[in-house]
Amino acid sequence: GAGVSQSPSNKVTEKGKDVELRCDPISGHTALYWYRQSLGQGLEFLIYFQGNSAPDKSGLPSDRFSAERTGGSVSTLTIQRTQQEDSAVYLCASSLARGSYNEQFFGPGTRLTVL
Amino acid sequence: QQQVKQSPQSLIVQKGGISIINCAYENTAFDYFPWYQQFPGKGPALLIAIRPDVSEKKEGRFTISFNKSAKQFSLHIMDSQPGDSATYFCAASWAANDMRFGAGTRLTVKP
Repeated sequence: GAGVSQSPSNKVTEKGKDVELRCDPISGHTALYWYRQSLGQGLEFLIYFQGNSAPDKSGLPSDRFSAERTGGSVSTLTIQRTQQEDSAVYLCASSLARGSYNEQFFGPGTRLTVL
Repeated sequence: QQQVKQSPQSLIVQKGGISIINCAYENTAFDYFPWYQQFPGKGPALLIAIRPDVSEKKEGRFTISFNKSAKQFSLHIMDSQPGDSATYFCAASWAANDMRFGAGTRLTVKP
């Protein structure tokens, strides 16, 4: 079966531009997570969805970041007016449900470079 | 606030040696402690996980040791192989809450 897919795999943009990153979770997974991985850093939790709802948006670094999920499936992470410090790998993960014992399956990530 | 502290940041081991990565946590409510393995250009993948009701879990060459009183857990890779070279993340979560990851350890196993 297909795993979590993300697109694009690489994105180079100029400072100040908006970018959209897409995540296709595993079919049937109700929970979806976004993380940011900066060079040499761990995984920074950004936001999670249970179905189409994102109850806690406090992990988003600034109001330039937003995310949505439609139809309980595809999710889009949008970064407006990108800054150089936004350069990182953005990882998406999905799990059957939210909760401790549900394994999170990660996509390959989108490498974002802001020039 | 870093809820899970991982060390070392990088580790070099000879083939056949033992690789040891350590993690410490603060929140005593954590009840699930997974380790993820990440190869370059790939997303992390679950390697092995433990719950706090046991002190050790072994799967093949990989063992998690868990010390609840010290709030520490570690990953041991026995007979380390060059194919084990990757970045390893410890993590912790509780109940229906979200997972918190350590900063990662880049392991290099030299042939």
